[in-house]
Amino acid sequence: DTEVTQTPKHLVMGMTNKKSLKCEQHMGHRAMYWYKQKAKKPPELMFVYSYEKLSINESVPSRFSPECPNSSLLNLHLHALQPEDSALYLCASSPGQGVDNEKLLFGSGTQLSVL
Amino acid sequence: SQQGEEDPQALSIQEGENATMNCSYKTSINNLQWYRQNSGRGLVHLILIRSNEREKHSGRLRVTLDTSKKSSSLLITASRAADTASYFCATDPTGANSKLTFGKGITLSVRP
Repeated sequence: DTEVTQTPKHLVMGMTNKKSLKCEQHMGHRAMYWYKQKAKKPPELMFVYSYEKLSINESVPSRFSPECPNSSLLNLHLHALQPEDSALYLCASSPGQGVDNEKLLFGSGTQLSVL
Repeated sequence: SQQGEEDPQALSIQEGENATMNCSYKTSINNLQWYRQNSGRGLVHLILIRSNEREKHSGRLRVTLDTSKKSSSLLITASRAADTASYFCATDPTGANSKLTFGKGITLSVRP
């Protein structure tokens, strides 16, 4: 299995809803990432987990809450989002050490719309 | 803050032609990477070039790196309609806690 799998592919939620985005990889990668991407813009880093510990939080609002239950799974819990949070949310992973350590493997993303 | 800046911002060519995209950056780097993104999809890693390398090839891709000018170029030879996508350069800055930073991207359209 050489993919990063993200679910759901599309999500529509109201501002009072609570939802979660899920990301899974089975390549033994030890670093996992959440990116946010608005249309026609580059991806913006939100969080990095390294060896299941949060290593980078790019000053993301607390309405976004990451979780790494184990080395294969990464969740992003969403609560009380704003319409401006509508974007493509991308998960990525990288080996975390050794050869090709720096190359990111991306999932297909979750297109989120906040109404 | 944006590290890599690509140019041009948009490029339209005929199938079979070569496409050249440039990226400039500001600080010292460990490596520079190029990614492709089809509309609404995830990014796909194309090629990585390290700071001590000057040129690298992968299939129809050729990447150069000039650390003295802090610039890189991506050449796609014999382009195909399927190469239509957005292309991003990403730099891995030196220093502790460095993180990959993406440029604004180039939109490439290859006309059949």
